Amino acid sequence: GQNIDQPTEMTATEGAIVQINCTYQTSGFNGLFWYQQHAGEAPTFLSYNVLDGLEEKGRFSSFLSRSKGYSYLLLKELQMKDSASYLCAVRDGTYNTDKLIFGTGTRLQVFP
Amino acid sequence: EPEVTQTPSHQVTQMGQEVILRCVPISNHLYFYWYRQILGQKVEFLVSFYNNEISEKSEIFDDQFSVERPDGSNFTLKIRSTKLEDSAMYFCASRAGIFSGNTIYFGEGSWLTVV
Repeated sequence: GQNIDQPTEMTATEGAIVQINCTYQTSGFNGLFWYQQHAGEAPTFLSYNVLDGLEEKGRFSSFLSRSKGYSYLLLKELQMKDSASYLCAVRDGTYNTDKLIFGTGTRLQVFP
Repeated sequence: EPEVTQTPSHQVTQMGQEVILRCVPISNHLYFYWYRQILGQKVEFLVSFYNNEISEKSEIFDDQFSVERPDGSNFTLKIRSTKLEDSAMYFCASRAGIFSGNTIYFGEGSWLTVV
């Protein structure tokens, strides 16, 4: 089966650091995406990991361990505008027949 | 920055009516997708499209659904006879291709309400 787990909700304080975890069990794996989604809006691309290790992009970093079926998204220097849902999605399939399998998303609330 | 555009942003339709949702993917992209998100639920894959044909479809994408790329820019999703449970946000997405990147970009979505 296809299973992607992430916490439903998290809270944090402005200026702090937060780590959102994602574990997955999927029949195929061709990379893992993190998207940000504000309510009623489209998912916005944050990061893509296909090899093990840490990818850093400004205030956002994403880590992948394929052997453990585990990823996390790290948000530093939190701002109020970071309040959103964060979606973990596994890319399944071959290059020409790929699809994203999404987790339920983690709703992050940032407080002043 | 190039983006995926979708129309309409919101449509209300009566049960049993046909609906067409339109998308203009990013211009040099080769792979196209439709996803949907029922309110409060996760984003779900519907269909992928490459080289003018469906690459893969999910169980949700039954005979009531169809996709088309009628010209060089548009990519449409048709629901032939809408049901109440089709009410959802429908997202179009696109990806460049093997030499240009794997990032999948989403449009702003079309919110469909079936009454």
